[in-house]
This record gives sequence, structure tokens and C-alpha cells, in this order.
Amino acid sequence: GEDVEQSLFLSVREGDSSVINCTYTDSSSTYLYWYKQEPGAGLQLLTYIFSNMDMKQDQRLTVLLNKKDKHLSLRIADTQTGDSAIYFCAERAWGSASKIIFGSGTRLSIRP
Amino acid sequence: DSGVTQTPKHLITATGQRVTLRCSPRSGDLSVYWYQQSLDQGLQFLIQYYNGEERAKGNILERFSAQQFPDLHSELNLSSLELGDSALYFCASSDGTGATEAFFGQGTRLTVV
Repeated sequence: GEDVEQSLFLSVREGDSSVINCTYTDSSSTYLYWYKQEPGAGLQLLTYIFSNMDMKQDQRLTVLLNKKDKHLSLRIADTQTGDSAIYFCAERAWGSASKIIFGSGTRLSIRP
Repeated sequence: DSGVTQTPKHLITATGQRVTLRCSPRSGDLSVYWYQQSLDQGLQFLIQYYNGEERAKGNILERFSAQQFPDLHSELNLSSLELGDSALYFCASSDGTGATEAFFGQGTRLTVV
């Protein structure tokens, strides 16, 4: 079955890098996403990666995909207080009408 | 603004009651997803509709049901409400023609007292 797992909490010092990890089970996953949820708000897509890619970089964000281990990570460089949020990893199988399965979310808190 | 509209934003109701949550997807989006977010259970996939038909089902209770109408808006019906149903209910939509992401509404916060 499909399952996406993440650690629940991460605390980092302001200015350091944050690395949020995720594992998934569905080998047919084609799209892998990172969403951000700020307090009181809905989810917003941060970035995504296709399963045929190993890495994607977008400004301060770097996504690494290890397809063999079904492991996805999100690195946020120079973490700022505005990065405090819950980060959700999600997977989606091939097919435009397939469902998207989310992990439980990692709450990132920033220490001064 | 994601373009996905959910109403109402907040809902307070008593145990045993029935409520309907409404979602208007982004213009042109064919797929609608419903998710439940509880404090201790993260984001749980409930159900997906695609162009009016049920496409996928997740951990949706029998007391809950949903539908997608010809104009593509969707409703989630929750009946015989229990205290544990208190949560944020999110709707998301995607265009169903190969888009890679789903766009989320702001959610409906349901409180059962």
C-alpha cells in the first residue's frame, strides 16, 4: 500500500541549514512534492521532483531523491524565522487523475 | 490565493448533527481531493473525485460521504458527528490533464461540541 513517513519535529538555529526527511513506499510514485503549511493557512506547494531526477535546486531549497531507498529530503539553506511551518512530503503515482498521499508533516521550529 | 474556495471557514456544531462542507475548485480543474487534518494525525486523505466520479478512497468513515457535481464543485457530508471529528478539512484541486500539483483551499475548521 501507499505510505509516506516523516519525523514530526525539527528544530534548527537561525542561519543554519534544515534537512527534512521523508520515506515513501509506493514504487510507482512519479511525482514527489514538498508542501509548506504556515499557521492557520492551507498548504502551499514549495517544490516538486519527478522520479527520474536525483536532485532539484530552487534558490534556498534543494530536493534530493534516492529512488532506490525511496527516500526524499528537503534542505533549506540559511534557515530564517519565516521558514517556521509544517512541511509535508507527498507522493503521486503516474496518471493525472491519481491521488496524492501526504506524510504526517514535520514541524520546523527556528531557534534564535 | 490558490483559487480553491472552501465554505464555511469555521463551523461549530453539536455531537450527533450533520454538516456539509463545500469546495469550489480552481476554474478548469477536474480533480477534487478531500483531506482531514487533526492535531495528532497529520493530513489524512479521505476521497478524490475526478470529473464527477469517485476516483480514489482513503480513510473515510462510513458516516462521511462526498460528491462532485456537474459544475465540478464538491461537497463533503459529515453525519452523526462525534467529538473526534473536530478537525480542519481541506479541499484541493488539480486540472487532471497532467498538472503536477494540487492547489489547496484554506480549509474548514470544524468543531464538534
